[in-house]
Formats: sequence, C-alpha cells, structure tokens
Amino acid sequence: EVQLVESGGGLVQPGRSLRLSCAASGFTFDDYAMHWVRQAPGKGLEWVSGISWNSNTIVYGDSVKGRCTISRDNAKNSLYLQMNSLRAEDTALYYCAKALTLAALDSWGQGTLVTVSS
Amino acid sequence: EIVLTQSPGTLSLSPGERVTLSCRASQRVRSRYLAWYQQKTGQAPRLLIYDASTRATGTPDRFSGSGSGTDFTLTISRLEPEDFAVYYCQQYGSSPENTFGQGTKLEIK
Repeated sequence: EVQLVESGGGLVQPGRSLRLSCAASGFTFDDYAMHWVRQAPGKGLEWVSGISWNSNTIVYGDSVKGRCTISRDNAKNSLYLQMNSLRAEDTALYYCAKALTLAALDSWGQGTLVTVSS
Repeated sequence: EIVLTQSPGTLSLSPGERVTLSCRASQRVRSRYLAWYQQKTGQAPRLLIYDASTRATGTPDRFSGSGSGTDFTLTISRLEPEDFAVYYCQQYGSSPENTFGQGTKLEIK
C-alpha cells in the first residue's frame, strides 16, 4: 500500500523559513515523479512544485518561484520542500503527491499545515 | 499558464440523478492531459480520471470523463450518497507544470 506522510509544518513568522518532508513507502520511490500541492483554508487546490524521478527536471508554480526549493533523496525515499521568505498567503495545508503519469497524481498524503503569522 | 474554469460552482442534486461537470481551458490542453479529482471534507483529493477519460484504479464505472482541446466533462451516471463532494479538474499537458480548476461543489438537495 502506498503511503505518503508529510511533516515539518507549523506556525512560523513572516519572512522565516520552513522545510517540509514527505516520507514515502509502499512503492518504488525512484520510479516516479513527485509533487507538492497546497490548499489554503477553505480554498481550492494549488500546484506548488514538481520533481522528476532523477531530479533532472524541477519546476515551480509562479507563486513560490524563487522562494522554494524542491528536492528528493531516493536512498531515503523522501521528498522535501524548502520554503523561504514565507508570507501570510503561504498559509495552507501542504500535500505531497505521487505522479501516476506525467502529473496525474494518484496518491496523496494527508498533508502538513503551514501557518504564517506574526 | 493555462487557466481552467469549472462550472457550475455549486450543484444541488439528489441521489440517483445524473450530473455533468464542466471544465474549460483557456488554451488547448495537449494530448488530452486532463484529470479529475474528488475531495471530501477533511480528506486528501482522490484521483478519479486521468488522460481525460481513463478511470483510475478503484474508480466506479458510474464516473466517466470526456472531452478534448479546451472542453472537458466529468459525468456521474447515477449519484450515490458518497459522491457528494468537491470535484477538481487539473491539466498537465504542460507537464511537469500543471494547474487546477477552482472546483465544483456537489451538494445534496
């Protein structure tokens, strides 16, 4: 059974940094691209970033470009999102998701909540 | 960036009814790379349909997807009580970049 478990969220002041992690199990992690998707409270889904299986292709959504870095460690079956210069509008539940094909996301974690507030 | 517009925003229907949800793209979606997700309150999204019309593993056959170019639809042939949720479309034709629609809420009448 595929499992994705996010961690690292919390309350952080504007301008500070946070590193999210996603521990994967139940599938061959280094066979698949992975993505981060976020959802602000009461709002819709927003794609944040994606990384190919070998880290050769990395892309970001416009709202986080230049402030976030996605990475993965295939030896540890883990995905990461380093978030810098956090803003109030970054407040959201951050999901880690596995790509079935291209970016159709067939498995999701339960999310980790990031709250940016002074 | 391709913008996806879903309509209607909210639908009020009864179990047993047939429903069609719409997703319109601002530009042509390459190779029908469009997916549909279901999200229930307090849960992560669940992939229902990918590549516009392929059911994901475990998706009941009352769900069907169709469309190409800029116009896509998700049809539920006969609503079950567990189908009342929010539905999102997502295009990944510009993969790995992708975008989601704003969602359609399906509520019980």
